Amino acid sequence: DQQVKQNSPSLSVQEGRISILNCDYTNSMFDYFLWYKKYPAEGPTFLISISSIKDKNEDGRFTVFLNKSAKHLSLHIVPSQPGDSAVYFCAGHGSGNTGKLIFGQGTTLQVKP
Amino acid sequence: EAGVTQFPSHSVIEKGQTVTLRCDPISGHDNLYWYRRVMGKEIKFLLHFVKESKQDESGMPNNRFLAERTGGTYSTLKVQPAELEDSGVYFCASSQDRVQAFFGQGTRLTVV
Repeated sequence: DQQVKQNSPSLSVQEGRISILNCDYTNSMFDYFLWYKKYPAEGPTFLISISSIKDKNEDGRFTVFLNKSAKHLSLHIVPSQPGDSAVYFCAGHGSGNTGKLIFGQGTTLQVKP
Repeated sequence: EAGVTQFPSHSVIEKGQTVTLRCDPISGHDNLYWYRRVMGKEIKFLLHFVKESKQDESGMPNNRFLAERTGGTYSTLKVQPAELEDSGVYFCASSQDRVQAFFGQGTRLTVV
């Protein structure tokens, strides 16, 4: 049972345009959602998060939108830059004491110059 | 400040052998997590330490995997005996607030 799904394995956009990465979840108990970025041969690095009681969080070029009724969140990158090319993971954070993250499969973003 | 460090970065072992992975969390982080990514799929939770205690080990695949965190500092993950399906990238992460976790670079384990 996969609680977090990223249905697009890859995405290619032109430099300067908007990148939209999507994520769906099934577990209503997640209290936070996080996006991580991963370059080859490196570990995931935290990008941005959103509390389940919010519908939008913005940090510079990165904005995450949460639609709880649809159990859907998206990450918008505007404008996209070649250095943004990486694998992006969406993760749900379980409420309670554990703090474990449930990750999606990841979406590989390629930003073309 | 040093980040989460993992050793080794790569390990190739034969089926049936034993491998021990090590993780040094960020200093002062009580929470330490192990995750695994197999064959380019999702990153899956293995277990969670709070200091030296196992808080949640629900993701451990089977009893061939043993994790320890003696003294509440660094952690080791031993696989004994290793099987082909254990191949993957093992990530360690640490956190102070249990929300934002900082990941190490991972150990790529190949069992042949």
